[in-house]
Amino acid sequence: GESVGLHLPTLSVQEGDNSIINCAYSNSASDYFIWYKQESGKGPQFIIDIRSNMDKRQGQRVTVLLNKTVKHLSLQIAATQPGDSAVYFCAESYSSASKIIFGSGTRLSIRP
Amino acid sequence: DVKVTQSSRYLVKRTGEKVFLECVQDMDHENMFWYRQDPGLGLRLIYFSYDVKMKEKGDIPEGYSVSREKKERFSLILESASTNQTSMYLCASRGPTNTEAFFGQGTRLTVV
Repeated sequence: GESVGLHLPTLSVQEGDNSIINCAYSNSASDYFIWYKQESGKGPQFIIDIRSNMDKRQGQRVTVLLNKTVKHLSLQIAATQPGDSAVYFCAESYSSASKIIFGSGTRLSIRP
Repeated sequence: DVKVTQSSRYLVKRTGEKVFLECVQDMDHENMFWYRQDPGLGLRLIYFSYDVKMKEKGDIPEGYSVSREKKERFSLILESASTNQTSMYLCASRGPTNTEAFFGQGTRLTVV
């Protein structure tokens, strides 16, 4: 069956440094890979997505990298700020209209 | 402003009770989802609906059913609540042409 997993459940980063959150997936048929951020007491919020025909996509302070050869996805956050403290989930979807399967999440904490 | 509203933030129910969790979205989205979130397990998909009266089982549908009689409303039903259904329940909706799902605030259900 499908599974999406993350390498590390927690990540601690110095404020101002770059953060890299990793994710592995198993379903080669997925066409979309998505990152969500969940702050304490809130529902997850969309950050960025990438289609399977791309290997890199950039947003504001974030970059997502996709390596289909090893089924690996990563989220890079530049110049990490206290407001980036949250749980980050990777997710995959077969199409833009199908179900979304989430991984287990990585909690990012920021050291002052 | 985009909105997904879950009817209750906190619920306490007794074992064996029939429980209804309601979710309403105001974005005219076709797709709606119910997830449960447990520590270390991420978000697990219970059910997915891609249109009115249409549904698809997720990864953990046992013990749950759903109802989608109107486009804006998606209900999750626990036929006979059990203590292992104590969890955070998250509802989400999404349009048909993009991957950004919008989540409600969640309902923390405790079954005693």
